[in-house]
Amino acid sequence: EDKVVQSPLSLVVHEGDTVTLNCSYEVTNFRSLLWYKQEKKAPTFLFMLTSSGIEKKSGRLSSILDKKELFSILNITATQTGDSAIYLCAVDSNYQLIWGAGTKLIIKP
Amino acid sequence: EAQVTQNPRYLITVTGKKLTVTCSQNMNHEYMSWYRQDPGLGLRQIYYSMNVEVTDKGDVPEGYKVSRKEKRNFPLILESPSPNQTSLYFCASYPMKGGGLVYNEQFFGPGTRLTVL
Repeated sequence: EDKVVQSPLSLVVHEGDTVTLNCSYEVTNFRSLLWYKQEKKAPTFLFMLTSSGIEKKSGRLSSILDKKELFSILNITATQTGDSAIYLCAVDSNYQLIWGAGTKLIIKP
Repeated sequence: EAQVTQNPRYLITVTGKKLTVTCSQNMNHEYMSWYRQDPGLGLRQIYYSMNVEVTDKGDVPEGYKVSRKEKRNFPLILESPSPNQTSLYFCASYPMKGGGLVYNEQFFGPGTRLTVL
């Protein structure tokens, strides 16, 4: 059975800290791995990763995929209160999207 | 304005009373999908469609039906709703290029909060 597991489930840090969120997966037909940020509404797209070892970056956020070990990490440096959200990882397994349960990140001022 | 619309946004109903949640997109996207979101479980895909008259089951299709008679519309039908279908539902659409989904051009609908008593 295809599955995506995220850890930790929740995380509380102080502003300025660096956080690392984890996503591991076991799927039948991997096409890509996706990261999303969800605040009060629908998720918003952050990154798509298809190849191992290539880091995606967008400002203070970065992500890398390890296809051999079947995991990805999302790093956020110099966290701000606006980074508080649920971060979701999903895997495209032959066009079916398998989602993790999410990591709830709280940034304290 | 490019968007995915869902209706209704909120619905309280009773067990067994058939209902339909509509989803419509105006971007000519090929791929459309329904998700449900429950606390602590992330999103789970119910059904998806890669084109007109083509639908496939996601993770949790039991108790739901869909149809894709036109490219823009992808309604979700609950023939006999039960309390365990109380959830937040999202519809989403994605363009497809080169055989893959273009995730950075996807659109989610605003969500439908359904309560089944």
